[in-house]
Amino acid sequence: QQPVQSPQAVILREGEDAVINCSSSKALYSVHWYRQKHGEAPVFLMILLKGGEQKGHEKISASFNEKKQQSSLYLTASQLSYSGTYFCGTGSGGYQKVTFGTGTKLQVIP
Amino acid sequence: DSGVTQTPKHLITATGQRVTLRCSPRSGDLSVYWYQQSLDQGLQFLIQYYNGEERAKGNILERFSAQQFPDLHSELNLSSLELGDSALYFCASSEEGNTEAFFGQGTRLTVV
Repeated sequence: QQPVQSPQAVILREGEDAVINCSSSKALYSVHWYRQKHGEAPVFLMILLKGGEQKGHEKISASFNEKKQQSSLYLTASQLSYSGTYFCGTGSGGYQKVTFGTGTKLQVIP
Repeated sequence: DSGVTQTPKHLITATGQRVTLRCSPRSGDLSVYWYQQSLDQGLQFLIQYYNGEERAKGNILERFSAQQFPDLHSELNLSSLELGDSALYFCASSEEGNTEAFFGQGTRLTVV
């Protein structure tokens, strides 16, 4: 089943923070975050494999609550380059497929 | 450059026709995924192969089929094409099933 992302869209001014949430109705082994700019391929941001683990990539970090089957992506002090659609993907373990959510469109304006 | 190569980049074909999309994964990656992305939509998982074997299937239509060859490249075959099949088709590869996946630039299929 497809994970649910919220919000569907968000507009930020440069320097503002944002949180994108991802939740699943299934038990999760992993959560994957990708960013896709218009007309381009999705680009990997990070993968979280353990419950409660937090990872960071410059000013972008994420948490994974395995018990709640939820993950959140935190964007701090947003930059214009952060604009794009963010997808969370969830995996149920082993060689299982990664199922992506419908995406969150993020636009950062000056 | 992700290292994943998809050909062709663009494809325009008529309804009822059959097309083949090709994907060469990153060197060393054993897992290949196919995704369909319709206009302004999310990524719909179609199918996954791992080292030549089918590993997982998504909502792939019976008119669609795929395979992964011994040299690990993969092909997605779409037949009896309909207007609704128009979409961007992405291939991604990873070392294993639950590691970072690298996406190709996609094949934009337009059915007219």
